[in-house]
Amino acid sequence: GAVVSQHPSWVICKSGTSVKIECRSLDFQATTMFWYRQFPKQSLMLMATSNEGSKATYEQGVEKDKFLINHASLTLSTLTVTSAHPEDSSFYICSARPLGGPSTDTQYFGPGTRLTVL
Amino acid sequence: AQKITQTQPGMFVQEKEAVTLDCTYDTSDPSYGLFWYKQPSSGEMIFLIYQGSYDQQNATEGRYSLNFQKARKSANLVISASQLGDSAMYFCAMREGDTGGFKTIFGAGTRLFVKA
Repeated sequence: GAVVSQHPSWVICKSGTSVKIECRSLDFQATTMFWYRQFPKQSLMLMATSNEGSKATYEQGVEKDKFLINHASLTLSTLTVTSAHPEDSSFYICSARPLGGPSTDTQYFGPGTRLTVL
Repeated sequence: AQKITQTQPGMFVQEKEAVTLDCTYDTSDPSYGLFWYKQPSSGEMIFLIYQGSYDQQNATEGRYSLNFQKARKSANLVISASQLGDSAMYFCAMREGDTGGFKTIFGAGTRLFVKA
């Protein structure tokens, strides 16, 4: 089956620092990757849609200068949380849609990255 | 406007019994897809079942079935013969349109507790 990895799985950082989270599709190419954040006991909120070789599309209310997304290849997308603050602490989940898949294809989720900003 | 509504924050079911998790949706797009995902405490999102808006029959995947009532815009998940391992958070999700982004939005989720 399709596997998506995320690295790191958890990270603790100091306020004001930047953190990069990687999302990789391991056994398929992904034309589109999605980044979500999930606060405790809440649903997944889509932050942005990332297409290989083009700028990410951010959802309303998501600061594009704070959450930098780079989709450099068909198997890798990165999310960088710049100048992180405690309110950025959350569970960040990426997902990937296989290249050329039918519309019935689900997106495959990574295991998530838990970010704690002190 | 909220497009995916899950009205049950929590549900209890006895082991080996069936349970229905409710989901209603709102869209004006004639083409859409509906998904159910399971999220155990580990946090991973596990795909369970998919229903396309043009599908004539209700989707089934093992113990999971989707009760799709298009006119009522509901897509309830039925889990038969519940197991202790089914205890988790369940999310209903919708993707609008067949092209253009494949963006999927999620409901608030229902936490299922399976009792022994």
